[in-house]
Amino acid sequence: AQTVTQSQPEMSVQEAETVTLSCTYDTSESDYYLFWYKQPPSRQMILVIRQEAYKQQNATENRFSVNFQKAAKSFSLKISDSQLGDAAMYFCAYRIPLTGANSKLTFGKGITLSVRP
Amino acid sequence: GAVVSQHPSWVICKSGTSVKIECRSLDFQATTMFWYRQFPKQSLMLMATSNEGSKATYEQGVEKDKFLINHASLTLSTLTVTSAHPEDSSFYICSASQAGGHNEQFFGPGTRLTVL
Repeated sequence: AQTVTQSQPEMSVQEAETVTLSCTYDTSESDYYLFWYKQPPSRQMILVIRQEAYKQQNATENRFSVNFQKAAKSFSLKISDSQLGDAAMYFCAYRIPLTGANSKLTFGKGITLSVRP
Repeated sequence: GAVVSQHPSWVICKSGTSVKIECRSLDFQATTMFWYRQFPKQSLMLMATSNEGSKATYEQGVEKDKFLINHASLTLSTLTVTSAHPEDSSFYICSASQAGGHNEQFFGPGTRLTVL
């Protein structure tokens, strides 16, 4: 069974600084997707970034980038120039690319990120 | 972008009553919808997966007779919590996915259920 592990329950970062959130996963699949979702206090789940396992290049979305280490099964999220609006709970998630729309997401426990002004 | 709505956003009910939560995909046809439950400061727990026109597939440990899921159209799925009890109080989130592309799940804003 696939598992996603986020071992840090909480982190804090100074505004404008950089922070890295860790995630490891376990799977026997060779092709899959990895995601980071943000859940702010409104509790609306927001997709931050997606990584396809067959792509060697790390995904980047503006201030958000990932360090994808497939052999180590590691998928960390780096947030640069942290902003107050980045304060939220962040979930790492995994999915296999099944044909059709049935593929389930497996979530980590999440990490609460606070941003100090 | 793809938008998913949930109604109601917040509901309070008495113990023993049933509550229905709707999940709608507003601008796309959702082949599959997922229902999650989330307790405060915890992760999302998948309850069931529903495909349009088919019976839902429930995760292990989820009572199918208590959490009735219907996916009658490509834009609407409903979750009915039957004979609700205080321990059913939680935040319920749906997501919708369409076949093709990345099969990405688009999440609704969630429904907070409080059972008195």
